[in-house]
Order: sequence, then structure tokens, then C-alpha cells
Amino acid sequence: DVKVTQSSRYLVKRTGEKVFLECVQDMDHENMFWYRQDPGLGLRLIYFSYDVKMKEKGDIPEGYSVSREKKERFSLILESASTNQTSMYLCASSLSGRVGYYGYTFGSGTRLTVV
Amino acid sequence: KNQVEQSPQSLIILEGKNCTLQCNYTVSPFSNLRWYKQDTGRGPVSLTIMTFSENTKSNGRYTATLDADTKQSSLHITASQLSDSASYICVVSVSGGANNLFFGTGTRLTVIP
Repeated sequence: DVKVTQSSRYLVKRTGEKVFLECVQDMDHENMFWYRQDPGLGLRLIYFSYDVKMKEKGDIPEGYSVSREKKERFSLILESASTNQTSMYLCASSLSGRVGYYGYTFGSGTRLTVV
Repeated sequence: KNQVEQSPQSLIILEGKNCTLQCNYTVSPFSNLRWYKQDTGRGPVSLTIMTFSENTKSNGRYTATLDADTKQSSLHITASQLSDSASYICVVSVSGGANNLFFGTGTRLTVIP
């Protein structure tokens, strides 16, 4: 069964901490994505990557950075966590090619609370 | 501005009843539309995908329709079960680029016994 695995289901961090969210996929997908999901706002794209060491800003990249050193792993970094970054974070991956046709496989999400 | 709007925001139905969720979009150029189901605390899982030429597609008790002329889609759930309680998200893809997905904010469905 193919999977996108996010390392933590729940995290509680303090304001100002550096936070790492890890995502690993076992499908050899080229594209990987980080979204945050907030009530009433839906999923918003933070960053995505279409190849190793490549990254592109999404709609809301401020306060975040990413790292993709290996094809299967895509990390989201909160350089200095703030309370407004409390959210559900979803990682996804997809094959390259026809946009959206192959669908995204999502991880189970990480619910981050910044206190 | 490209948008995907879903209605209703939330819905409560009795077990065994049918329901229909709506998705209207303004994105262009349209590539495909997908409905996802998201259980509480989990990531979204794809239910159906529809391209421009398809107007109906079924997946068990789920039937999606697409009217590309009016830019509307619906998801019909037949004989609802308690396990159908979830958020249903409409996602529209546009042509071109590595990321061109537009997400609706979802409909929260609760099925009660």
C-alpha cells in the first residue's frame, strides 16, 4: 500500500522555537507539497517541490522554508514558530505529468500547536 | 480570480438518507475535477476524478456529476452510513505547471443514527 508518512500526528511547540515537520513518500513521486489547513480557509499551499533540491513558493510561504535533499523526503521548517502558525499541516505527493490527473496522495497530517 | 466554492458548509442527515453536495468553480483553463473525502484528523483521500468530457462518475454509493458549461459539480451520496461522516473537498485542476490545484473549503457532513 502506497504511503505518505508524516513523522508526527500532534506537536506542541513554544513561540520562537525552530520546528521541523518531516514527510516521506514511498511511491517514487516527483512532486511533493506542503499545505496548511485552517477552518473556513481550506487547504493553502505553502511550498512545493518538483525535483530533488528544487523548491517553489506556494501561496503562503512567509515564515516557512523547505528542504528536499532526497526524492522521497520533503521537510517543512518553521524558522521561528509563532502562534498564528498553529494549524493542521498536510504533506502530499504526486506523479509529474498531467496536473491533478494522477491525484495527490496525502499524509495523515500533523496538528501543530504553538503556545 | 480562480475560485472553488462549495455548499453547504455543513450538513446533518439521518443514516440511510441521500444527500447532494455542490461545487461551483470559476477556474480556467479547466483540466479536471476531483472530490476528496477527509475523515477527522486524517488526510484527504480521492473519491472520483472527472475530466472535461465526463459528466457522471460513480464510486460505490458516491456519484459525481460535472457540468462543464455551467462550471458546476455535485457529489451525491446514496443510502448514507455513519462512516460517511467526514469533510468532502472539491479540487479543480487547471492546465499547465507543476501545481495548479484550487481547493474548495469543503462540506462537513455528519450522519446521525
